[in-house]
Amino acid sequence: AQKVTQAQTEISVVEKEDVTLDCVYETRDTTYYLFWYKQPPSGELVFLIRRNSFDEQNEISGRYSWNFQKSTSSFNFTITASQVVDSAVYFCALSGPYGNNRLAFGKGNQVVVIP
Amino acid sequence: GAGVSQSPRYKVAKRGQDVALRCDPISGHVSLFWYQQALGQGPEFLTYFQNEAQLDKSGLPSDRFFAERPEGSVSTLKIQRTQQEDSAVYLCASSRPTWDKNTEAFFGQGTRLTVV
Repeated sequence: AQKVTQAQTEISVVEKEDVTLDCVYETRDTTYYLFWYKQPPSGELVFLIRRNSFDEQNEISGRYSWNFQKSTSSFNFTITASQVVDSAVYFCALSGPYGNNRLAFGKGNQVVVIP
Repeated sequence: GAGVSQSPRYKVAKRGQDVALRCDPISGHVSLFWYQQALGQGPEFLTYFQNEAQLDKSGLPSDRFFAERPEGSVSTLKIQRTQQEDSAVYLCASSRPTWDKNTEAFFGQGTRLTVV
């Protein structure tokens, strides 16, 4: 069975502060994929990143960065210099060896950026 | 179309009523998924199609839930004899073939179902 745990439910930060969202996963697959999605108030899930289990290189995309540590089964997400537009729910998700088939989502982190 | 389109956006149903939720995937996407998202929770997988074939329906919570994609494009999720616990947002997603590991699922805005 696959499981994703996002411990923090709601996080409030003041604009321009950094915020880190923790994601811990469990899987028996040796090949798997990890994802982060953003869900703004409009409701659709917006894809942010996909990482496969063999690629532990950290990634930076603008103000977003991801830290994948296989040894601790974690795939954490940091928003640097947060902006009001970053206010949303962020989901970490896990799939098996076939990529995006059947995603297992965490409960999500509600991020509120205060101007 | 430009993205995954779902209709209706909102649906209020009386307990016991049947409902049908529609999903128009991105043109050319062969894979289609349905998820159920309860309030304050992450989406939960319901079912998966590749073209018109329903390859995985293990997430459907009961036999009152039925999904189809007869021509391999538009999909309909039907819920019979709705109950209050069916109240949730139903999300549809589509993607290129799932064996294409360099693709991701694109989600629609969902249908918010409220059973009263």
